[in-house]
Amino acid sequence: QKEVEQDPGPLSVPEGAIVSLNCTYSNSAFQYFMWYRQYSRKGPELLMYTYSSGNKEDGRFTAQVDKSSKYISLFIRDSQPSDSATYLCAMKTASGGSYIPTFGRGTSLIVHP
Amino acid sequence: KAGVTQTPRYLIKTRGQQVTLSCSPISGHRSVSWYQQTPGQGLQFLFEYFSETQRNKGNFPGRFSGRQFSNSRSEMNVSTLELGDSALYLCASSPQPGAGELFFGEGSRLTVL
Repeated sequence: QKEVEQDPGPLSVPEGAIVSLNCTYSNSAFQYFMWYRQYSRKGPELLMYTYSSGNKEDGRFTAQVDKSSKYISLFIRDSQPSDSATYLCAMKTASGGSYIPTFGRGTSLIVHP
Repeated sequence: KAGVTQTPRYLIKTRGQQVTLSCSPISGHRSVSWYQQTPGQGLQFLFEYFSETQRNKGNFPGRFSGRQFSNSRSEMNVSTLELGDSALYLCASSPQPGAGELFFGEGSRLTVL
């Protein structure tokens, strides 16, 4: 079993839909949680960065962390065709441990007009 | 500010050959990490360099090596190429090790025939 599990999809939704992307993990030492977006033929770019449990909102994007369930989510409201990309979750331990992030495989999202 | 630059963007090699990939980090960034991305395994950490020293290494065979120069530019080398080395190799830079955000280049896509 991989340390971080993420359904590769693809996830296909109509424009305007609310999208939910999820990851589960097994290492309870993870404290920092990130979501990266990767467009085709591009490198990943950071979307959201959160510490410990709770919610964080940035425009149409909301990141949610539930450490008790070892489950993180990224919600996209009013999805647009320009949101079509692969979304990778990543997580790492706090300082003192290995700060190298562990990535999920990524979920391919397709938003059709 | 220029982003992370990786060269070459695409290359084709045959089994048994070796390859060298280059990465120029964002100006002022002194930490450089390398990742291998494949559809089956996702993004896997290769190694991290800071101040010309390898600080962390992933679980890859010794055929994979790297180095960092005094201007923070980095190279990675793969010797005795195997078919399974076909992948997108991504370089990421950050101001220092353990920084929150990784800034990725567009990658070097290696095909081994």
